[in-house]
Amino acid sequence: EVQLVESGGVVVQPGGSLRLSCAASGFTFDDYTMHWVRQAPGKGLEWVSLISWDGGSTYYADSVKGRFTISRDNSKNSLYLQMNSLRTEDTALYYCAKDFGVGGATFDYWGQGTLVTVSS
Amino acid sequence: AIQLTQSPSSLSASVGDRVTITCRASQGISSALAWYQQKPGKAPKLLIYDASSLESGVPSRFSGSGSGTDFTLTISSLQPEDFATYYCQQFNSYPHGLTFGGGTKVEIK
Repeated sequence: EVQLVESGGVVVQPGGSLRLSCAASGFTFDDYTMHWVRQAPGKGLEWVSLISWDGGSTYYADSVKGRFTISRDNSKNSLYLQMNSLRTEDTALYYCAKDFGVGGATFDYWGQGTLVTVSS
Repeated sequence: AIQLTQSPSSLSASVGDRVTITCRASQGISSALAWYQQKPGKAPKLLIYDASSLESGVPSRFSGSGSGTDFTLTISSLQPEDFATYYCQQFNSYPHGLTFGGGTKVEIK
């Protein structure tokens, strides 16, 4: 059974930093591109970032480019999101999502999310 | 960036009704579209990929159609467990700028 378990979400002040983690199990982690997707309270879904199976390629939404860094450790079956220069508009539930794996980017498994609140 | 516009933003329907949700892309995206269902307090669930392919385990009352700029998600006979919010998502611009529609909330009439 595929499982994705996010952690690391807390309350942080504007301008602060945070590192989210996602522990994956139930599939061959290093075969798949992985993503972070977020959802602000009461709002829709926003794709944040992706990383290729080997970590060699990373992409970001314009809203986080230059502030967030995605990474992975295939030896630990783990995905990470380093978040710097946080803004109030980064407040959201952050989901880790597995790529479908066949052309393009479709998210076939999601974690339950970890809540990041940016507030003074 | 490619924008996705869903309509309606919400609808009320009864069990057994046929429900259709529309997703329009700001430019052609071929068949690079997926549909997700999200229930309150839960993560989204993949329903349809490549515009019309049913994800494994998803009931056959769900179907997707369309290509280019206009897409639809149809629920042929609405069931109590189908009351949720539905999102479309495009990946034509992969790996750049993956985008979601604004969502359609399906409520009980």
